[in-house]
Order: sequence, then structure tokens, then C-alpha cells
Amino acid sequence: GESVGLHLPTLSVQEGDNSIINCAYSNSASDYFIWYKQESGKGPQFIIDIRSNMDKRQGQRVTVLLNKTVKHLSLQIAATQPGDSAVYFCAENTGFQKLVFGTGTRLLVSP
Amino acid sequence: SAVISQKPSRDICQRGTSLTIQCQVDSQVTMMFWYRQQPGQSLTLIATANQGSEATYESGFVIDKFPISRPNLTFSTLTVSNMSPEDSSIYLCSGWGGGAKNIQYFGAGTRLSVL
Repeated sequence: GESVGLHLPTLSVQEGDNSIINCAYSNSASDYFIWYKQESGKGPQFIIDIRSNMDKRQGQRVTVLLNKTVKHLSLQIAATQPGDSAVYFCAENTGFQKLVFGTGTRLLVSP
Repeated sequence: SAVISQKPSRDICQRGTSLTIQCQVDSQVTMMFWYRQQPGQSLTLIATANQGSEATYESGFVIDKFPISRPNLTFSTLTVSNMSPEDSSIYLCSGWGGGAKNIQYFGAGTRLSVL
């Protein structure tokens, strides 16, 4: 496998649990935020996004929460599955679609 | 969704040489970008590839080291010049705009090792 995420913080959960991955962003002017999932040997895959005029958005098994006051994003994954094991990155659009990525969190799901 | 293909997928190169990475999108996109991901770390934007004009580089990246071309709306190249072991990284291409959702999609990356 690829060495993505070797030095990243790790969240270990049991299959079926809910997972919460947190992210702090830096630019208060950012107006658009995205969560990406990166599996070993692959590029980042879009999961869900949220605009700064919202504080919550739901997708299929995933929810993103945005707290602009403290510049914090979270990704909630319901009923986590082994296939959810990956590195998760938040990203903020700092303008002209230029993305600044967070440090990433490795999610390990045990059967 | 846009499908982004990168070539080569991996390479091992000698220091002092140069490598050109190709990025092909299966549909026209408004913007294309190049990112670097060093081992175990997050992604860092290198530059915005502008169609028909010089790329726009982020702080810490320069054209002489990372020349970029974008001749049309579906294709771009990144060259890593005069390589050193510190250039060992994953290089990723992304595309944005042109689809209904305007999501930034990524290629699988080019894994470069410099000896």
C-alpha cells in the first residue's frame, strides 16, 4: 500500500459505530469547504461539501457541520463500515477554487 | 463526475534529471491544478494551470523548477526539473468546473521517487 497517512492522527472505531472527524481551518474568509476521502494508492475522493452560509449538510451516511465562530468543521459518518477506512481531509476554498487542505485523519474501522 | 488520468502512475528517477507528468481530463474543465503530497502528509497546492498562458504559482514554488503547460481545456503537464531526493512525493492533478456540481476532482497521482 501507499504511505499516505503514516504520521497522521488516527481514529479507531468498531464497525457499526458512528465516527466523528474534526478539522480546524485557518481563513475566516473561506466560503466553501469540502471533505475528501483518500484510500491507499488513490487520489482524494469527494465526499461532501458545505458553503459558509450553512451550518449543517447531510448526505448518505455522512453529515458535515460548520462552526464559523471557531473555524471548525466536522464530518460525521453513521454506521461506519470497514470500507470507510481511509485518510480523511478537510479542505477550504481560499478563492478561485484554490484549496488549502487540513492535516488529515486516518480512520481505522475494525470488524 | 470528471475522470482524471495521470501518466506515469509512478517512476523512479535519478537526481539531476527531469520528469514530465501528464494529466488528461475526460471532459472540458474550467480550471486545472497541480498539488504535491509528501509522504505521510497533506496536499499542498503547487500552481494553477492556466489555459494558453503561464501558470500561477503558490508561494514556495517557481516556474523554473515546476514548469507547467495547459494547451487546452482537458490536458496539462507538470515537469519536475533537476530532481533531488527532496522531490520524492506524490504529484496530483485536479480539475474543476464544467460539470453540474462544480466539484474539484483529483487524479490518482504520480508517485515519484528520486534516488
